[in-house]
Amino acid sequence: AQKVTQAQTEISVVEKEDVTLDCVYETRDTTYYLFWYKQPPSGELVFLIRRNSFDEQNEISGRYSWNFQKSTSSFNFTITASQVVDSAVYFCAANSGGSNYKLTFGKGTLLTVNP
Amino acid sequence: DAGITQSPRHKVTETGTPVTLRCHQTENHRYMYWYRQDPGHGLRLIHYSYGVKDTDKGEVSDGYSVSRSKTEDFLLTLESATSSQTSVYFCAISESVLVGQEEAFFGQGTRLTVV
Repeated sequence: AQKVTQAQTEISVVEKEDVTLDCVYETRDTTYYLFWYKQPPSGELVFLIRRNSFDEQNEISGRYSWNFQKSTSSFNFTITASQVVDSAVYFCAANSGGSNYKLTFGKGTLLTVNP
Repeated sequence: DAGITQSPRHKVTETGTPVTLRCHQTENHRYMYWYRQDPGHGLRLIHYSYGVKDTDKGEVSDGYSVSRSKTEDFLLTLESATSSQTSVYFCAISESVLVGQEEAFFGQGTRLTVV
């Protein structure tokens, strides 16, 4: 079985600060996929990124960046120069070939960016 | 945006009554899922479908049943609603059997309150 741990339940920062959201995953599979989703106060789930286990290259998209490290089973998400609009719950999720029918979600991290 | 519609968006029902939630997609995706979201638990899979009339249980399936008679519709039924089923329910769709080859798209959610 796979497991996703987001140890940070809530994070509060001031606008323009950088913030990193942690995600640690557990799986016995060699092939797996990792995701981040954003859930703003309006409630919808917005896909942010997908990463497969064979691609450890970090990715940057604007103010967002993701650090995938297989050695520590982590897939951390950094927001640079945070903005109030970044306030949301962020979910990390994992899927692997052994349980290919579902995404296993972490419990989420509530990020509040204060002006 | 992926064409996923959940109905109703909000419902209040009494304990012991049956309730059916509907998920309708216009993407012709093969895989459909029902999740529930609860504080402190993230998203947990209830049931999923891998084709018309093909369904299977997720991690929290007790008290729920599903049906899929057409590609576009996936129904979730609470056979006899209980207060513990008060939650926000999300439908998701995906094209790939591995899910990880393509992200899952989520509906806007249905807030169900059982009184």
